Amino acid sequence: IAGITQAPTSQILAAGRRMTLRCTQDMRHNAMYWYRQDLGLGLRLIHYSNTAGTTGKGEVPDGYSVSRANTDDFPLTLASAVPSQTSVYFCASSDRGDTDTQYFGPGTRLTVL
Amino acid sequence: GQNIDQPTEMTATEGAIVQINCTYQTSGFNGLFWYQQHAGEAPTFLSYNVLDGLEEKGRFSSFLSRSKGYSYLLLKELQMKDSASYLCAVRDVDNAGKSTFGDGTTLTVKP
Repeated sequence: IAGITQAPTSQILAAGRRMTLRCTQDMRHNAMYWYRQDLGLGLRLIHYSNTAGTTGKGEVPDGYSVSRANTDDFPLTLASAVPSQTSVYFCASSDRGDTDTQYFGPGTRLTVL
Repeated sequence: GQNIDQPTEMTATEGAIVQINCTYQTSGFNGLFWYQQHAGEAPTFLSYNVLDGLEEKGRFSSFLSRSKGYSYLLLKELQMKDSASYLCAVRDVDNAGKSTFGDGTTLTVKP
């Protein structure tokens, strides 16, 4: 089934630990995005990538890093997790067509203690 | 920058019609999206407007007025399954494929 997968589904992490959230899409979309969504709030962009080999910073990039070695994968790394990074993380992709409609993965629920 | 405003919550009755408003102040305009997000799930695309006017898609319609910085999502013949959060998002003009999202409107449909 075509789409976006994220792993893990949920994770509880001790503060100070390193964590990588995985995101893979099989739609051959050029662009990919990472958002965080906190309770009752909208989506805030962390990092994005318009094409393999390029990345850019979004609205809330501090404490996060990304890489885009190929079209399909876009991992998000927390180098040293802090409790304020407790959130639901969504990965998305778009084909950069006429509208830039985004298609979202199922999300990763991360709790940092 | 972009500023997007939506009501936080709305309640409506099954079978009724509800209009969810979105106003935006942006430096330039390149299109507006509506996404639906059920609790605990990912957002899914509902509609896209780039020109003024009404776009109809089944029970859902979306309207845009660029001069007023205003859009609304109209849901007809409400069903219980329409209970969800509705996110308004404005496409950024920097051609980087990004969009800025509002905080969403949580719609509760009651019997």
